[in-house]
Amino acid sequence: EPEVTQTPSHQVTQMGQEVILRCVPISNHLYFYWYRQILGQKVEFLVSFYNNEISEKSEIFDDQFSVERPDGSNFTLKIRSTKLEDSAMYFCASSAGTGLFFSGNTIYFGEGSWLTVV
Amino acid sequence: DAKTTQPPSMDCAEGRAANLPCNHSTISGNEYVYWYRQIHSQGPQYIIHGLKNNETNEMASLIITEDRKSSTLILPHATLRDTAVYYCIVRANYGGSQGNLIFGKGTKLSVKP
Repeated sequence: EPEVTQTPSHQVTQMGQEVILRCVPISNHLYFYWYRQILGQKVEFLVSFYNNEISEKSEIFDDQFSVERPDGSNFTLKIRSTKLEDSAMYFCASSAGTGLFFSGNTIYFGEGSWLTVV
Repeated sequence: DAKTTQPPSMDCAEGRAANLPCNHSTISGNEYVYWYRQIHSQGPQYIIHGLKNNETNEMASLIITEDRKSSTLILPHATLRDTAVYYCIVRANYGGSQGNLIFGKGTKLSVKP
């Protein structure tokens, strides 16, 4: 069964360092997402990406965050200067997403990348 | 997306059916009901979704009331591995800003031996 894969599974970084989290969405999916979950809290939407541009972003997704689809398979989340409060599990997700009321537009999640900022 | 209301926790005996309720009284005509679960901080796992008809797949059944203001997720024979947080999410089923999933706190289901 196709799945979203994420690397690394766990990364420890020092405050102020840049971090890149990588994701391989499900093949042929067109919409890509990043969510995060701080320990013990809700899963929060960060950003959605379609047709090589951001389609929506939350208030969390400020100027220190960026996303990129550098080639035909990878989707990355970059945090330029990490802060302690960026420590969280980051989930990448993708969906096929075509057309209105398309019943196949289910969003599938990866297993997450656990980021610890020290 | 419309808001949903779920009980914070539920218990279920192993082998019995688990019935997880969800209220979504402000759901609009183009919004689907999605169910996901999250097992111990793993990635949210898609379970099932529906618009107005009842749906069944290999994991669960989804019963949506006729007025679409509430639904019930049914795990027919719960196992210990079904212990997880279950999220009921109402979502417009197309891409773009109205297609994102907004997670609440969900229901923590504990399946007990």
